[in-house]
Amino acid sequence: DTEVTQTPKHLVMGMTNKKSLKCEQHMGHRAMYWYKQKAKKPPELMFVYSYEKLSINESVPSRFSPECPNSSLLNLHLHALQPEDSALYLCASSQDAAGTYQPQHFGDGTRLSIL
Amino acid sequence: SQKIEQNSEALNIQEGKTATLTCNYTNYSPAYLQWYRQDPGRGPVFLLLIRENEKEKRKERLKVTFDTTLKQSLFHITASQPADSATYLCALDHTGTASKLTFGTGTRLQVTL
Repeated sequence: DTEVTQTPKHLVMGMTNKKSLKCEQHMGHRAMYWYKQKAKKPPELMFVYSYEKLSINESVPSRFSPECPNSSLLNLHLHALQPEDSALYLCASSQDAAGTYQPQHFGDGTRLSIL
Repeated sequence: SQKIEQNSEALNIQEGKTATLTCNYTNYSPAYLQWYRQDPGRGPVFLLLIRENEKEKRKERLKVTFDTTLKQSLFHITASQPADSATYLCALDHTGTASKLTFGTGTRLQVTL
């Protein structure tokens, strides 16, 4: 079992829907991340939150909107997605984000399919 | 542009042998390098981290080396077992942005009896 919990595990949505992905960790980590992973490709960084503030946005389209309500929770709000956005969305956390060598702890992801 | 390549997409070895996976990078000056394991349908799991001033790191049957001159890391699994079959990813930080990891292309290891 992973210490980073992501819900839902699977999500199918139409291009006009609005949905949210959720991520939770209770390890006291202060940095949280969203990654996108396409089949047979490595994870690609989307967003980094450090101490509940957005510190990195990798030029992600605005149809993806991250939110960090508190230090344990991370959401990814989805709206008007395209079929090419179908992928595994991974959440990760680390003890902190800046200037230290910290491993990242990953959840098992949400498998997203856009119809 | 920055690039991270892992030697082969797939590696097949016999149980009991040593598996050696390679991670090469260009146009990077990473402060550290990490190795992760990913099983199908699961998220990556952290295995080892090595700093730029360390030549070698070990953990049980795992060994990582880091050669900043060759711009290469080697990942060894000794006495490999079928349970070691998975995709292995190396990841580098971006200098000055310690939280920004970029992953290599991954090597799918298959250990057979």
